[in-house]
Amino acid sequence: AQSVTQLDSHVSVSEGTPVLLRCNYSSSYSPSLFWYVQHPNKGLQLLLKYTSAATLVKGINGFEAEFKKSETSFHLTKPSAHMSDAAEYFCVVSVPGGSYIPTFGRGTSLIVHP
Amino acid sequence: GAGVSQTPSNKVTEKGKYVELRCDPISGHTALYWYRQSLGQGPEFLIYFQGTGAADDSGLPNDRFFAVRPEGSVSTLKIQRTERGDSAVYLCASSPTGINTDTQYFGPGTRLTVL
Repeated sequence: AQSVTQLDSHVSVSEGTPVLLRCNYSSSYSPSLFWYVQHPNKGLQLLLKYTSAATLVKGINGFEAEFKKSETSFHLTKPSAHMSDAAEYFCVVSVPGGSYIPTFGRGTSLIVHP
Repeated sequence: GAGVSQTPSNKVTEKGKYVELRCDPISGHTALYWYRQSLGQGPEFLIYFQGTGAADDSGLPNDRFFAVRPEGSVSTLKIQRTERGDSAVYLCASSPTGINTDTQYFGPGTRLTVL
């Protein structure tokens, strides 16, 4: 069984300040972990993914995430928020075996103030 | 290249009616997924196709929901006797092979409203 918990439903930051979106997972196997972003009225888009290579993963638009097995975490960070980062962010876990059905977190809404 | 497309973008229907939602995946992608997303929630898995066959339909909420992918490309999600609780955004995604490391490519969704 697998699950993912996004610890904050909303995160509010000022433009130019760092962003931290938290994600914890539970998995019986070595997981693949993803962050997707959903802008209003747009489809979900992959930001980055971890698939058992380097634990620090860099994605698009300056985002990165670090896989920490000991903490079962995969937090998403960005050094400096931009207004265009305002969106809904989803953490996703998928494991080998079975039918590889990804499990989505409930999402974190990132609000960026000018 | 073309991404995943879904039609219609919006569908309004009356309680008890039948609806069909269509998904055109990226050409060559063998895996296709349907999800349902309610307001303020993450996508909820419905069904997964590997080629023409439904590899996992454990997320379908009841027997009013059915999906097909007869030629391993386009898929149709069918909902019979719609209920107000079926109102949601229905998302389709495809991926190259369906393994756990695959990136999923999502369509824009179909917003279903049942009056």
